[in-house]
Amino acid sequence: EDQVTQSPEALRLQEGESSSLNCSYTVSGLRGLFWYRQDPGKGPEFLFTLYSAGEEKEKERLKATLTKKESFLHITAPKPEDSATYLCAVQAPGYSGGSNYKLTFGKGTLLTVNP
Amino acid sequence: DVKVTQSSRYLVKRTGEKVFLECVQDMDHENMFWYRQDPGLGLRLIYFSYDVKMKEKGDIPEGYSVSREKKERFSLILESASTNQTSMYLCASSPPGTGELFFGEGSRLTVL
Repeated sequence: EDQVTQSPEALRLQEGESSSLNCSYTVSGLRGLFWYRQDPGKGPEFLFTLYSAGEEKEKERLKATLTKKESFLHITAPKPEDSATYLCAVQAPGYSGGSNYKLTFGKGTLLTVNP
Repeated sequence: DVKVTQSSRYLVKRTGEKVFLECVQDMDHENMFWYRQDPGLGLRLIYFSYDVKMKEKGDIPEGYSVSREKKERFSLILESASTNQTSMYLCASSPPGTGELFFGEGSRLTVL
């Protein structure tokens, strides 16, 4: 069974204090790893896709990296507006229907950035 | 702006009532999904559809059914609502084969 574990469950930072969120996974036949951001009371919003170990993606203060067993979301000099829940998901074969794959989400890391 | 629109943001229903949650996307995506999100349990897939009139069970389909009569619309049906179906329901769509999902704002359902 595919498993995605995110740590820590919650992280509180001061503005400007850089840190990393972790997503470790166990999956057969990883097709892709995805990061989403979710604001309170809203649906998740896609951030990044990573396909292979060693790959990195950046967007503003966020950088996502991937190894064979885990992914990190690095947050550099965060601002209060970066406060949100960050979700990690892995995509692997899991359902019938030809090209359709199963997406398994972690439970998320709640990030709070204080001014 | 591309959009996934869920018909109701907040609903309150009684045990045993039939509940319809509707979702419309304007991106011409083949895939559509229904998830529920609960504290401590994360996002769990209920059903998904990869084409009109096609559907597949997700991880927790019991107590739910779905309908996809048109490409842009995917409905979630609770035939007889129960209190353990109180949750946030999220609809999403995507092109085929990708994990880049576009989510709606969510429908918070309370069953009394």
